[in-house]
Amino acid sequence: AQSVTQLDSQVPVFEEAPVELRCNYSSSVSVYLFWYVQYPNQGLQLLLKYLSGSTLVKGINGFEAEFNKSQTSFHLRKPSVHISDTAEYFCAVSDTGTASKLTFGTGTRLQVTL
Amino acid sequence: GAVVSQHPSRVICKSGTSVKIECRSLDFQATTMFWYRQFPKKSLMLMATSNEGSKATYEQGVEKDKFLINHASLTLSTLTVTSAHPEDSSFYICSVKAYSQNTGELFFGEGSRLTVL
Repeated sequence: AQSVTQLDSQVPVFEEAPVELRCNYSSSVSVYLFWYVQYPNQGLQLLLKYLSGSTLVKGINGFEAEFNKSQTSFHLRKPSVHISDTAEYFCAVSDTGTASKLTFGTGTRLQVTL
Repeated sequence: GAVVSQHPSRVICKSGTSVKIECRSLDFQATTMFWYRQFPKKSLMLMATSNEGSKATYEQGVEKDKFLINHASLTLSTLTVTSAHPEDSSFYICSVKAYSQNTGELFFGEGSRLTVL
């Protein structure tokens, strides 16, 4: 079984500042890792995913994440945030065997202000 | 455009009634769909895996008689909340695994907010 920890429930940041949303996972097997974004009263949209290969993954809207196997982390970063990035961000993991069965973290609310 | 469509997006019902939520895959055939429940300010909890042409697989603690799932075609899965009570009020989200895709990427519907009075 896997688990995902998102330590920060809320991250306030000023517009144009950089941001990092932390994600740590636990698994005894190889994993796939994902970041999803959820805007109010909407479903989830995939930001980026790590399946294999390069540990630095680039996604949509200028986000990127780095897979660190030794630290079991997959932190999400953006060098300069915009007001429109305000949303809930979920980190998720699945094992490579049951690839579609995702386990989600509790989410991080990114609040961007002027 | 949307890959997965859920309907209704919002529904309010009286306690004791049943509510059906539809999840449609618009762009591809989906042999597998997933139903999640999201509590306020909480993460998504997987309720069940819906398999086309067979019975759904429910996660531990989810009442199968309470949350009926039907996946009669490759593009449609339905979740029926039977005899709904206020504690069933929640945001329900479906997701679709594309046929022949095994990379773990899921496409999510817009969600359905159920309020039981």
